[in-house]
Amino acid sequence: NAGVTQTPKFRVLKTGQSMTLLCAQDMNHEYMYWYRQDPGMGLRLIHYSVGEGTTAKGEVPDGYNVSRLKKQNFLLGLESAAPSQTSVYFCASRDNEKLFFGSGTQLSVL
Amino acid sequence: LAKTTQPISMDSYEGQEVNITCSHNNIATNDYITWYQQFPSQGPRFIIQGYKTKVTNEVASLFIPADRKSSTLSLPRVSLSDTAVYYCLVGGGPSTGFQKLVFGTGTRLLVSP
Repeated sequence: NAGVTQTPKFRVLKTGQSMTLLCAQDMNHEYMYWYRQDPGMGLRLIHYSVGEGTTAKGEVPDGYNVSRLKKQNFLLGLESAAPSQTSVYFCASRDNEKLFFGSGTQLSVL
Repeated sequence: LAKTTQPISMDSYEGQEVNITCSHNNIATNDYITWYQQFPSQGPRFIIQGYKTKVTNEVASLFIPADRKSSTLSLPRVSLSDTAVYYCLVGGGPSTGFQKLVFGTGTRLLVSP
């Protein structure tokens, strides 16, 4: 099992560009999450999903959109990237007990 | 949401026991307490979870008093490889819709030789 896989691992965008981050899990988990982590800071919840076809806002949802068309995939979209969105993005899925995290996507917006 | 408060940083030496306390004064009845460990450039990794009293696994112990307004992660005989950021996470019960899991600021532990 691969666990939670995030693509891409690194990306550089110009202000105003759009992109989609992909998270895939092979553990058949219902719950999936997107967090962002700024340098030296803790994780902040962007959006989460409690199952296929459902999404909900977290602590810092502005500027991001998500979709969960398939149970195993959770996509995070930036429609018009801003320098304030420079961060490391972590995806996670959850079983009944704990979160399983991907290795992260380093995103820089110039 | 139960907000958590942890010390920003702690220092220790190899072989010592380290106790990290997390305050969560407004924890809900059905909330669980979970601790994660994060190394640089990696996603957090599950350490231990509990609801009340004491829980022990192969890497740590978790102490939760009767009022559940705080919890203490205990790491026995730390090594250099335990240098990391430790997060206390409260939630998972119906008060947070079972789903919305919010991290606190974490405790940066530095273990020296």
